[in-house]
Amino acid sequence: DTEVTQTPKHLVMGMTNKKSLKCEQHMGHRAMYWYKQKAKKPPELMFVYSYEKLSINESVPSRFSPECPNSSLLNLHLHALQPEDSALYLCASSQLIGTEHTWGQPQHFGDGTRLSIL
Amino acid sequence: RKEVEQDPGPFNVPEGATVAFNCTYSNSASQSFFWYRQDCRKEPKLLMSVYSSGNEDGRFTAQLNRASQYISLLIRDSKLSDSATYLCVLRGRALTFGSGTRLQVQP
Repeated sequence: DTEVTQTPKHLVMGMTNKKSLKCEQHMGHRAMYWYKQKAKKPPELMFVYSYEKLSINESVPSRFSPECPNSSLLNLHLHALQPEDSALYLCASSQLIGTEHTWGQPQHFGDGTRLSIL
Repeated sequence: RKEVEQDPGPFNVPEGATVAFNCTYSNSASQSFFWYRQDCRKEPKLLMSVYSSGNEDGRFTAQLNRASQYISLLIRDSKLSDSATYLCVLRGRALTFGSGTRLQVQP
């Protein structure tokens, strides 16, 4: 069991669909992250939220739209995705300690949402 | 040059063996270092942080060499349950993952 909960666990959608991935944590962490992981590759950072504000966007295409409605929730809204967007999407959270450059100690990951784009 | 480089393996070792993984990094400003473990089709899980003085957690020993910009993980008395991919992770503003080293412990 992980302390970061992601739903759904699996999602199949067409390229014209709109869907959302959800992530929830109740550890009081004020930093939350979205990663994308393709098969046999390491996780790649997409977005970082700190204190519910977007802090890092790693040049992610606008068809991915993150949202942090409160300190426990992180969403990833999906629209007009491409087949190459099929991947495991991982959410993580961590405490924020000190300055911006001492974030993320350590990161706790959810189980992930396995996304398939038809 | 990749920011974090690891030998992808696989490392196939018998139970009870000692195995070591290395990881090199290019950004000398990297703040902190970790080893994560990821089982097939599962999320990464923190195995241990890596401290400059070296640190040990049971059968696992991690070391950091800032001068040469590499970190290492030593696993003693390998168990079948140690079979996984071991990810070297650096933290600057966010986490940067190495591509992972796959370990297969065989009976």
